[in-house]
Amino acid sequence: DQQVKQNSPSLSVQEGRISILNCDYTNSMFDYFLWYKKYPAEGPTFLISISSIKDKNEDGRFTVFLNKSAKHLSLHIVPSQPGDSAVYFCAASAGSNYQLIWGAGTKLIIKP
Amino acid sequence: KAGVTQTPRYLIKTRGQQVTLSCSPISGHRSVSWYQQTPGQGLQFLFEYFSETQRNKGNFPGRFSGRQFSNSRSEMNVSTLELGDSALYLCASSWAGGPDTQYFGPGTRLTVL
Repeated sequence: DQQVKQNSPSLSVQEGRISILNCDYTNSMFDYFLWYKKYPAEGPTFLISISSIKDKNEDGRFTVFLNKSAKHLSLHIVPSQPGDSAVYFCAASAGSNYQLIWGAGTKLIIKP
Repeated sequence: KAGVTQTPRYLIKTRGQQVTLSCSPISGHRSVSWYQQTPGQGLQFLFEYFSETQRNKGNFPGRFSGRQFSNSRSEMNVSTLELGDSALYLCASSWAGGPDTQYFGPGTRLTVL
């Protein structure tokens, strides 16, 4: 049973436009959500996080939105740049147990 | 500061063999977590070690085991390899194990024939 789902395996966006990556979860105990970015042949790197007490967190071009009632979060990248082409993973954790539950990832392709 | 290193980067084994993967965390980090990544499955948590003790464990069979040494370096062992064990194995280190402070190594690509 996948508790964290990223239903789009890939997404193609024009450079300069907004990229929106989506993530759904089923476990209402999740209270901390993260996005990681992964380039080929490298490990994932932390991008941005959000606690369940917030509905939005912003860091430069990256904004994460959390809709707890819909059990849905999204990552917005504005404007999209070629270096943003990577696989993006959504992950969640519950309480003080730091074990992360990961989505399958979405490959973002930024077209010039 | 040197990043997380994993050795070897690539491994080819046959069914029934065993394998040991190594992870050297960032200096000063005491938590090391291991993940298995397979296509379409995301990252599956294997286990976490903190100060030489296994603190968390995922839902993997007992063929998967690990340990951590006093210098925080960690090893993961898989015995009696199966074809389905072919995957990218990632190690992540952090100072205390917090979810947003994990630094990942490049992974070890294991192929089981």
